[in-house]
Amino acid sequence: DTEVTQTPKHLVMGMTNKKSLKCEQHMGHRAMYWYKQKAKKPPELMFVYSYEKLSINESVPSRFSPECPNSSLLNLHLHALQPEDSALYLCASSQGRDGEKLFFGSGTQLSVL
Amino acid sequence: QKEVEQDPGPLSVPEGAIVSLNCTYSNSAFQYFMWYRQYSRKGPELLMYTYSSGNKEDGRFTAQVDKSSKYISLFIRDSQPSDSATYLCAMTDQAGTALIFGKGTTLSVSS
Repeated sequence: DTEVTQTPKHLVMGMTNKKSLKCEQHMGHRAMYWYKQKAKKPPELMFVYSYEKLSINESVPSRFSPECPNSSLLNLHLHALQPEDSALYLCASSQGRDGEKLFFGSGTQLSVL
Repeated sequence: QKEVEQDPGPLSVPEGAIVSLNCTYSNSAFQYFMWYRQYSRKGPELLMYTYSSGNKEDGRFTAQVDKSSKYISLFIRDSQPSDSATYLCAMTDQAGTALIFGKGTTLSVSS
């Protein structure tokens, strides 16, 4: 099983809403990632959790708040987003700290109105 | 100069053609090289993975890494319409946790 499952697949939210994106993997991977991808651009790294601890935060605005409840789950809490935050949000996982082989989920297509 | 350069295309070929996609990079510390395929509005799918220099073949796909030239390639033989997608190269060094992606090349295979 090389599956990373993301929910929801699509999300429309207003700028005052609070919502959460969820990600799950059962491959025993110990590193999990959030990426943001705009149309026709490569994925941009947002956060990395390694062994359930936040190891990288790529200067992401505080309106994005990651959470790793356990080694299989990763959440991204959203609050007071801006229209420019509309993008495909991708979760990924890898075996360990040195994330060579990343396995991506299908993503959540987020639209902020 | 950006760390990873990849021609965005688009690249259009007829079914059955051999496709060559490539990336150049500047960081000689990169050791792990990957190719991802991404269909529209889907997450990237790991297609090929190569450590250090050399060739790797998997079915119709061949990945080549030339570290001396800082150049990697992906060849697709007997291309199919289902190969129509964006292909992203990605790489990282031995100790890093962040993949550096190319911009992606959009490929269209017509039947």
